[in-house]
Amino acid sequence: DTGVSQNPRHKITKRGQNVTFRCDPISEHNRLYWYRQTLGQGPEFLTYFQNEAQLEKSRLLSDRFSAERPKGSFSTLEIQRTEQGDSAMYLCASKGFSGNTIYFGEGSWLTVV
Amino acid sequence: AQRVTQPEKLLSVFKGAPVELKCNYSYSGSPELFWYVQYSRQRLQLLLRHISRESIKGFTADLNKGETSFHLKKPFAQEEDSAMYYCALPSGGSEKLVFGKGTKLTVNP
Repeated sequence: DTGVSQNPRHKITKRGQNVTFRCDPISEHNRLYWYRQTLGQGPEFLTYFQNEAQLEKSRLLSDRFSAERPKGSFSTLEIQRTEQGDSAMYLCASKGFSGNTIYFGEGSWLTVV
Repeated sequence: AQRVTQPEKLLSVFKGAPVELKCNYSYSGSPELFWYVQYSRQRLQLLLRHISRESIKGFTADLNKGETSFHLKKPFAQEEDSAMYYCALPSGGSEKLVFGKGTKLTVNP
């Protein structure tokens, strides 16, 4: 499968711990997105990278959240000092330079206990 | 601010019946609208976009600017159409997509 790959797929963590998710976009896709989805809601935009540059950040992305895409390929999303409200599915997506279609990964489920 | 409303959380029809999933939006300007679908245990994927005016898996959607709607329709629903459906539009001048809350479609045999 050469689609968007995310790991871990599931993470259970204690409140206050840090977690990191990784996303490998489709090869040569220069645009990468992170979304968050909670139960009963549609995906909500968190942040967007074009190559290694983080060009957009949502207000949802508090200072406990940081995303990086150091070499313009894979990306990481780190959540520090997790809270129960961070429990959600974190979706990564990518899009090619000239493409119009965003391709989503399967998501990483986070449960904060 | 751009907003997408999907008024039905759940929709249940019988196989062979017509189905319409509603989507209303608020947007200043000419929107580009999308329908995404998520089948059970699969990733979210694009179903169709209004700009291409295509029919995918028998589904069509027409943009009605007067009613600010982009309803998804299929004349004869199939069991394999059972899924979550999300309507989405870009936030103007941004790469961000704004999604509705989704409608869960169940097609009964």
